[in-house]
Amino acid sequence: DQQVKQNSPSLSVQEGRISILNCDYTNSMFDYFLWYKKYPAEGPTFLISISSIKDKNEDGRFTVFLNKSAKHLSLHIVPSQPGDSAVYFCAASGRNYGQNFVFGPGTRLSVLP
Amino acid sequence: KAGVTQTPRYLIKTRGQQVTLSCSPISGHRSVSWYQQTPGQGLQFLFEYFSETQRNKGNFPGRFSGRQFSNSRSEMNVSTLELGDSALYLCAGQRRGGDDEQFFGPGTRLTVL
Repeated sequence: DQQVKQNSPSLSVQEGRISILNCDYTNSMFDYFLWYKKYPAEGPTFLISISSIKDKNEDGRFTVFLNKSAKHLSLHIVPSQPGDSAVYFCAASGRNYGQNFVFGPGTRLSVLP
Repeated sequence: KAGVTQTPRYLIKTRGQQVTLSCSPISGHRSVSWYQQTPGQGLQFLFEYFSETQRNKGNFPGRFSGRQFSNSRSEMNVSTLELGDSALYLCAGQRRGGDDEQFFGPGTRLTVL
């Protein structure tokens, strides 16, 4: 039973357009969410995070939105660049409950030139 | 500063054998977590070590075990290998654990024939 779901295994976007990656979670104890990016033959690298007390966090071209009532978060990349092509993992943790990070299955983003 | 290193990078074993993987976190990082990545399942948490003690454990059988040394280096052992153990094994270091940023190694690709 996956607590963190990324229902789109893959996504293709044209360079310069917006990429929207979605993530849903089921555990209401999760209060801290992160996105990681993973290139082939490398480990995941941290991209951006959001705490449950916020509904939006922005860092350059990357913005994460959190909808707690829907248990849904999304990562927006604007504008998308070919170097953004990677697998994106959504992760969640319940920092107040001593839980470790729970990762989603990942979404492979391809940004087409 | 040096990143997280994992050895070996690639490994081929046969069913029934055992394997030991190694992870050295960034200097000063005392928490090491291990994950199994398989297609469609994302990163599945195996266990976390902090100060040579296992602090958290995921839902994996007892064939999966680990340990941590006084220099924070960690090893993961899988005994009686099964075909389904073929995966990318990632380790991540953190300064203390919890929701500290995780720094991942490049992973060890294990193939069980």
